[in-house]
Amino acid sequence: AQSVTQLGSHVSVSEGALVLLRCNYSSSVPPYLFWYVQYPNQGLQLLLKYTSAATLVKGINDFEAEFKKSETSFHLTKPSAHMSDAAEYFCAVGTGANNLFFGTGTRLTVIP
Amino acid sequence: GAVVSQHPSRVICKSGTSVKIECRSLDFQATTMFWYRQFPKKSLMLMATSNEGSKATYEQGVEKDKFLINHASLTLSTLTVTSAHPEDSSFYICSAPGQGEGGTQYFGPGTRLLVL
Repeated sequence: AQSVTQLGSHVSVSEGALVLLRCNYSSSVPPYLFWYVQYPNQGLQLLLKYTSAATLVKGINDFEAEFKKSETSFHLTKPSAHMSDAAEYFCAVGTGANNLFFGTGTRLTVIP
Repeated sequence: GAVVSQHPSRVICKSGTSVKIECRSLDFQATTMFWYRQFPKKSLMLMATSNEGSKATYEQGVEKDKFLINHASLTLSTLTVTSAHPEDSSFYICSAPGQGEGGTQYFGPGTRLLVL
């Protein structure tokens, strides 16, 4: 079985500051891990994914995430927040072509 | 990347009527599509898996007679909310897995349903 826990339903950062969104997963098999972003009233856009290749994954808009098996974590980071990064972020785990299991989401607010 | 569309993007209907939502994979074929429901400020809840050429697989607690799913072709799945009630108001999102892309799913833009 797979599950995802996102710590912190809301995160606020100042523009230009580091963004850190936390995600821990549980999976009985080697997981595929994803971060998606959702802007208001829109669908989900893939930011990045881990599929058993490099443990440090780089995505769009300077986001990256590191897969740490020992910590069962896949935290999302960005060195410098931009106002346009304000959105809802979802971590998800899957095992292939099946459906994804989503975390409860983290709303990122960027303060000017 | 692959593109998934949904139609309509927004629909308002009266209680008791039925509403059909279409999900299309525009530049790839999808033998499987997924339908999710998202409540305000909540995560996505998988409702059902749509399978081309066979019956949909519903998650526990989802009424199959209320949420009819038809996967008519390799690029089209439809979700029909029958006899809609105000509690069915929600944001419905579909997705389709990319081919050979390590579990990546591509999501439609969602359909906002409001039942009066």
